[in-house]
Amino acid sequence: GAVVSQHPSRVICKSGTSVKIECRSLDFQATTMFWYRQFPKQSLMLMATSNEGSKATYEQGVEKDKFLINHASLTLSTLTVTSAHPEDSSFYICSASRPGGMNTEAFFGQGTRLTVV
Amino acid sequence: TQLLEQSPQFLSIQEGENLTVYCNSSSVFSSLQWYRQEPGEGPVLLVTVVTGGEVKKLKRLTFQFGDARKDSSLHITAAQPGDTGLYLCASPRGYSSASKIIFGSGTRLSIRP
Repeated sequence: GAVVSQHPSRVICKSGTSVKIECRSLDFQATTMFWYRQFPKQSLMLMATSNEGSKATYEQGVEKDKFLINHASLTLSTLTVTSAHPEDSSFYICSASRPGGMNTEAFFGQGTRLTVV
Repeated sequence: TQLLEQSPQFLSIQEGENLTVYCNSSSVFSSLQWYRQEPGEGPVLLVTVVTGGEVKKLKRLTFQFGDARKDSSLHITAAQPGDTGLYLCASPRGYSSASKIIFGSGTRLSIRP
């Protein structure tokens, strides 16, 4: 079964509204989660690192006020796309890694397809 | 920023043929991973290679890590339609659960029946 669960899988919103995406680790505690964005036919681009109990770390070029990240518990991180515009339409994917030294394995959510109209 | 370049970007071949996908960087990897992603889903880990020159096999898939740990290849023997998908190499920035994973540019593979 899924180790990392994302919700919703699809969302359509109107331009100017905000959308919240949830990422849950189901069978392990994740002090760190990651958020990626993927445009059609492209690879995953890391947006930010979500840190439990502290501020997220954003990659260069990602607007922190636009993409709000909250990691309030060891199993839940949320990404809120604020004042969404059509150019924010994309596939958003979260991940969390189960600790294991050299065998640390990352698990990815099933993704959220956001369409802003 | 370490870039992971994959080639080819797109590949469409007939069922039963063999193929190789490459992942290259100018920097040395501590380890390298290969993922497969199907449309509308998140990537799924196929393999992690750590040691230079390492070869790992997963059924019809053979993964090789370059001796200098700067490149890797994925070879598929007798490709099947079920192999269709986006193949991504990725470089974890360490061994902890807090380590970022940076993805390569991706190879979109299509196997024709």
